[in-house]
Amino acid sequence: GAGVSQSPRYKVAKRGQDVALRCDPISGHVSLFWYQQALGQGPEFLTYFQNEAQLDKSGLPSDRFFAERPEGSVSTLKIQRTQQEDSAVYLCASSGNRNNSPLHFGNGTRLTVT
Amino acid sequence: GESVGLHLPTLSVQEGDNSIINCAYSNSASDYFIWYKQESGKGPQFIIDIRSNMDKRQGQRVTVLLNKTVKHLSLQIAATQPGDSAVYFCAEPYSGGGADGLTFGKGTHLIIQP
Repeated sequence: GAGVSQSPRYKVAKRGQDVALRCDPISGHVSLFWYQQALGQGPEFLTYFQNEAQLDKSGLPSDRFFAERPEGSVSTLKIQRTQQEDSAVYLCASSGNRNNSPLHFGNGTRLTVT
Repeated sequence: GESVGLHLPTLSVQEGDNSIINCAYSNSASDYFIWYKQESGKGPQFIIDIRSNMDKRQGQRVTVLLNKTVKHLSLQIAATQPGDSAVYFCAEPYSGGGADGLTFGKGTHLIIQP
């Protein structure tokens, strides 16, 4: 596809359930980012991959959050034992191979934990 | 801590008028700034960027001004149209996200009055 694709678009989970959010970056983009956006706030950095290597996961809020990109393309963000404070929009972005390439964002997955 | 922020959470303008959205940053070491537009239900979309060795950069109907002396960034939108209604974020490089990771401000909601 032409852009970053995320699925599902919406996810409702009961507290304590595990969820998996998928991101298909733009083909050929080396860098992939996950952001969390709370209502009325700007996106907050979660983690960053360069190809399959997770180079920075300092933004992950707890050890319940886990991200992977095993083949350097598709990425999955997994949240275990979801809690209400995990409710947010999770955005994925990818960027090209030159310095300061603009991030291209998907439309996000809106997660609601009840 | 160092952060990117915005002066006004909401800006209301008449259709056809020019809009000016402001941003204050505190990291004097940042050498690159970006403006993103986020429409309801969508991911942020790149508008324009500027490097710190420039004071001004123009795009189609948009101009970004950078004042390094007072660490201020602004986005000017000429002849505002209904389609410009969105939340606008300024962003600067995030230290941990490789070459392209970003830190976002909280955003300004631009409302176009008919």
